[in-house]
Amino acid sequence: DAKTTQPPSMDCAEGRAANLPCNHSTISGNEYVYWYRQIHSQGPQYIIHGLKNNETNEMASLIITEDRKSSTLILPHATLRDTAVYYCIPSSGNTPLVFGKGTRLSVIA
Amino acid sequence: NAGVTQTPKFQVLKTGQSMTLQCAQDMNHNSMYWYRQDPGMGLRLIYYSASEGTTDKGEVPNGYNVSRLNKREFSLRLESAAPSQTSVYFCASSHGDRGTYEQYFGPGTRLTVT
Repeated sequence: DAKTTQPPSMDCAEGRAANLPCNHSTISGNEYVYWYRQIHSQGPQYIIHGLKNNETNEMASLIITEDRKSSTLILPHATLRDTAVYYCIPSSGNTPLVFGKGTRLSVIA
Repeated sequence: NAGVTQTPKFQVLKTGQSMTLQCAQDMNHNSMYWYRQDPGMGLRLIYYSASEGTTDKGEVPNGYNVSRLNKREFSLRLESAAPSQTSVYFCASSHGDRGTYEQYFGPGTRLTVT
């Protein structure tokens, strides 16, 4: 499994874009990059995933570098409800997720 | 759809007692998972079931058993609870094919072993 490096914590002003980076330099060719978040005490929530191309859905955008060694999750207009721990997880698909420590995002009013 | 449901929400056990945590999903998913999360830590995989009729150990299987009762249900059993098993337990499911591997999680069971 690819190892990931994420900053332990970040702050973001409400209404601004939150850009969460993740390094996954050992990712293998068949591994997607998945992003999940966990709001306090709740079960993790799937956000988005991608292989090579940038992806966007109703929750977020995912930018993956051309060499696939890093990615950035973008929450375009962060709200207080986006305060959570965000996990970047490389996975080849139908395999169990390996959770690291993630980034604790605090959205500040 | 209820998604992934877990029972009970909270449980307190004495050391040596046994119990079964129940998990059910109504999304017709093939794969199901059990994770535990200790305070301040990330989730760790206990067991998973890639499809009905199969189960495999994860990172921390000792002290646990699982049963994939049918496609919908995946239970986790603690035969003789220990204080080290105090944790929050999350069940998850995923479709597991057709390129749809994202996992959906239940609300968790908070277990305290005294």
